[in-house]
Amino acid sequence: ETGVTQTPRHLVMGMTNKKSLKCEQHLGHNAMYWYKQSAKKPLELMFVYSLEERVENNSVPSRFSPECPNSSHLFLHLHTLQPEDSALYLCASSQDQQWGNTEAFFGQGTRLTVV
Amino acid sequence: GENVEQHPSTLSVQEGDSAVIKCTYSDSASNYFPWYKQELGKRPQLIIDIRSNVGEKKDQRIAVTLNKTAKHFSLHITETQPEDSAVYFCAASITGGATNKLIFGTGTLLAVQP
Repeated sequence: ETGVTQTPRHLVMGMTNKKSLKCEQHLGHNAMYWYKQSAKKPLELMFVYSLEERVENNSVPSRFSPECPNSSHLFLHLHTLQPEDSALYLCASSQDQQWGNTEAFFGQGTRLTVV
Repeated sequence: GENVEQHPSTLSVQEGDSAVIKCTYSDSASNYFPWYKQELGKRPQLIIDIRSNVGEKKDQRIAVTLNKTAKHFSLHITETQPEDSAVYFCAASITGGATNKLIFGTGTLLAVQP
């Protein structure tokens, strides 16, 4: 266990459904990330939160909506997804400091299938 | 923004041989370069990292070198073993601004043949 927990581990949803992915970290980190992992782009940065404030939206479609209610929790709300959104969604956290990153710890990921 | 390129995409070596994976980055402001290993069905995990004030770092069978002038860095694995088989990702991170963010390369699938 790395201290980063993602739920659910697997999710199958229809294109008209609304679902949410959850990430929780117990490492006291101040930055959290969503990455998409697919065959085409193995580790694609989606969103970055630092001190609960979104500081990066890497040109992600609006059908993906992140939420960071506190420094330990991160959500990814999904609605009207497309089949090409099927992928492994990885959450990560790190302790950002002025002099640079520290190690990013990844969760196990949520395997999402859009049908 | 930062762009990280990684080569090769696949690498097959015989057990005991060395493996080298190379990455280049675009933003000269990047100053932190970690390497992650992802075994099949598992999460990426850090194996070694290097900061821009160091040219080389070694940890047992793995080493990383950094050439800031050329903006490239490499992972070296010596005496490879079957358990080294995995996907390896390099990354670059920029300090400063609102936060830091890790941009990953496209990964290298390493297969160590027994």
